[in-house]
Amino acid sequence: AQSVTQLGSHVSVSEGALVLLRCNYSSSVPPYLFWYVQYPNQGLQLLLKYTTGATLVKGINGFEAEFKKSETSFHLTKPSAHMSDAAEYFCAVSGPRGYNKLIFGAGTRLAVHP
Amino acid sequence: GAGVSQSPSNKVTEKGKDVELRCDPISGHTALYWYRQSLGQGLEFLIYFQGNSAPDKSGLPSDRFSAERTGGSVSTLTIQRTQQEDSAVYLCASSPSRDNTDTQYFGPGTRLTVL
Repeated sequence: AQSVTQLGSHVSVSEGALVLLRCNYSSSVPPYLFWYVQYPNQGLQLLLKYTTGATLVKGINGFEAEFKKSETSFHLTKPSAHMSDAAEYFCAVSGPRGYNKLIFGAGTRLAVHP
Repeated sequence: GAGVSQSPSNKVTEKGKDVELRCDPISGHTALYWYRQSLGQGLEFLIYFQGNSAPDKSGLPSDRFSAERTGGSVSTLTIQRTQQEDSAVYLCASSPSRDNTDTQYFGPGTRLTVL
């Protein structure tokens, strides 16, 4: 069975500081990994995804994530936080062909303060 | 282009009533998903439609929940005899194909409150 663990339900950073949101997964097959962002009262928007190939993935709004198979991790980073980054972030995993549903982590709420 | 739309945006109902939630996927997307987002359970998969194939209903929490997709496009999620624990945001998503590397595009959700 596949699962996702996001460490830290709440993360608070200062504007301009590094953002690091942690995600670890469990999968018996090579996973496909996703980060979604949810702004208040909105649906989920894809930030980035890893399927195959380069393990450092760049996404929208300056975010990136690195797939580390040995650590079963897919942490999300951004060098400099902006006030508009305040939102909830979800890491998700899907499996090989025929296993199309996304399994989500519990989410991390990011607060950015001046 | 138009994204995934859902209606209604909010639904308040009384315990025991039936409700129908609607999802209009992105035109041309063959895959459609329903998820539920609640405080206690986080984001949970409910059901997956792909073209004319039999749906994957493995996430439906009880037989009070059902869904259909007509003409390979619009989908309706029906909850019969609603219970207070059904209160949640119901999210619909669509993707271009059966390939699970595809991005799933989410609608804004329907917030269901069962009194």
